[in-house]
Amino acid sequence: GIQVEQSPPDLILQEGANSTLRCNFSDSVNNLQWFHQNPWGQLINLFYIPSGTKQNGRLSATTVATERYSLLYISSSQTTDSGVYFCAVPLNQAGTALIFGKGTTLSVSS
Amino acid sequence: GAVVSQHPSRVICKSGTSVKIECRSLDFQATTMFWYRQFPKKSLMLMATSNEGSKATYEQGVEKDKFLINHASLTLSTLTVTSAHPEDSSFYICSAAFDSYGYTFGSGTRLTVV
Repeated sequence: GIQVEQSPPDLILQEGANSTLRCNFSDSVNNLQWFHQNPWGQLINLFYIPSGTKQNGRLSATTVATERYSLLYISSSQTTDSGVYFCAVPLNQAGTALIFGKGTTLSVSS
Repeated sequence: GAVVSQHPSRVICKSGTSVKIECRSLDFQATTMFWYRQFPKKSLMLMATSNEGSKATYEQGVEKDKFLINHASLTLSTLTVTSAHPEDSSFYICSAAFDSYGYTFGSGTRLTVV
């Protein structure tokens, strides 16, 4: 099945710093999503981004589908950005289960 | 819109007992729901796909007799952990696809078996 790899596994930042998280996937996809899991376990959808670039406030994401990777950018990080960031792609066609990478654990200190 | 409600959020049970976790789609019909398990500091692992009116599809290595899934209506899927043991302690999350590309997740259930 499709493989999803994320890097780095852990990231420690000072408040105000910028960061880039990477997601590589082993096969072509028609859907890629980035999630933030908060300390209580809730998954929050950040981006649906099978290709191209999207921005939402301090966060932006770019997916280069032909090269099978996606990047999540966090600018001017805040302590509330701490948590685990996952990328996920469908197991096969649209509407099937999402398969998650192992995540990047971000810790932002003040 | 597209909200999934999961209950209970936290449960502690004794070894040997069974625990039922409910996942409801509140404002849409979910013919398919997904169940995940997450160990501490680990990723979400897909356990099974729950199909309304038919048998669930389990991922390799997931015991279907241990983790009973029922999807009797278009808005409700349940996961029952039968004869629970401490190694079943984990965080369980349900999910549903509300259109071809949109997914929504429940808030999760933290199960502790003592």
